[in-house]
Amino acid sequence: GEDVEQSLFLSVREGDSSVINCTYTDSSSTYLYWYKQEPGAGLQLLTYIFSNMDMKQDQRLTVLLNKKDKHLSLRIADTQTGDSAIYFCAESSADRGSTLGRLYFGRGTQLTVWP
Amino acid sequence: DVKVTQSSRYLVKRTGEKVFLECVQDMDHENMFWYRQDPGLGLRLIYFSYDVKMKEKGDIPEGYSVSREKKERFSLILESASTNQTSMYLCASSLYPGPSYEQYFGPGTRLTVT
Repeated sequence: GEDVEQSLFLSVREGDSSVINCTYTDSSSTYLYWYKQEPGAGLQLLTYIFSNMDMKQDQRLTVLLNKKDKHLSLRIADTQTGDSAIYFCAESSADRGSTLGRLYFGRGTQLTVWP
Repeated sequence: DVKVTQSSRYLVKRTGEKVFLECVQDMDHENMFWYRQDPGLGLRLIYFSYDVKMKEKGDIPEGYSVSREKKERFSLILESASTNQTSMYLCASSLYPGPSYEQYFGPGTRLTVT
């Protein structure tokens, strides 16, 4: 978890955009992921981006990747109260010896959406 | 759709008991993982398995063991439960090698050790 960092809390008003940020340290990361966890539930994969891409858009979600700065962000447009959840950033590495296939997670950002 | 199921959503055990948490996936994935999740600490990897009967320690394996006798099933064992093992336990699976290595998670088991 120390390789991937996120801020712990974010509050926004319903209808605004939310931007959740993440930084990582492994320059050999191949894929970066965003997961969502609703209260009492497991993690749900929202989207992922390959490291040679700058941006990926999927409906209300936009992922931006700045590989030079090792910075990943998730933008949620027109945020709704149903978007309130914990959002986890994760990265995979192609070069971690026997741990191939392992993901490294941040601590999660609690997004609270106010009506 | 990938489905990962865990044997219990909630479990209450006493200190010193042997506890089994079961996880089953239906997508023929090679990799399976056990995490624990605690407030403010995020997900911490306990053990993972990349094939039947194969396992590797994660970041916090102490006090836990695992078993993978069949490809679809991965069990986490608390040999002698202690109160500091009260936590949410999450199982995940992934296809490896695969196109993007994403992990699919079960709903979690909230374990309370009294």
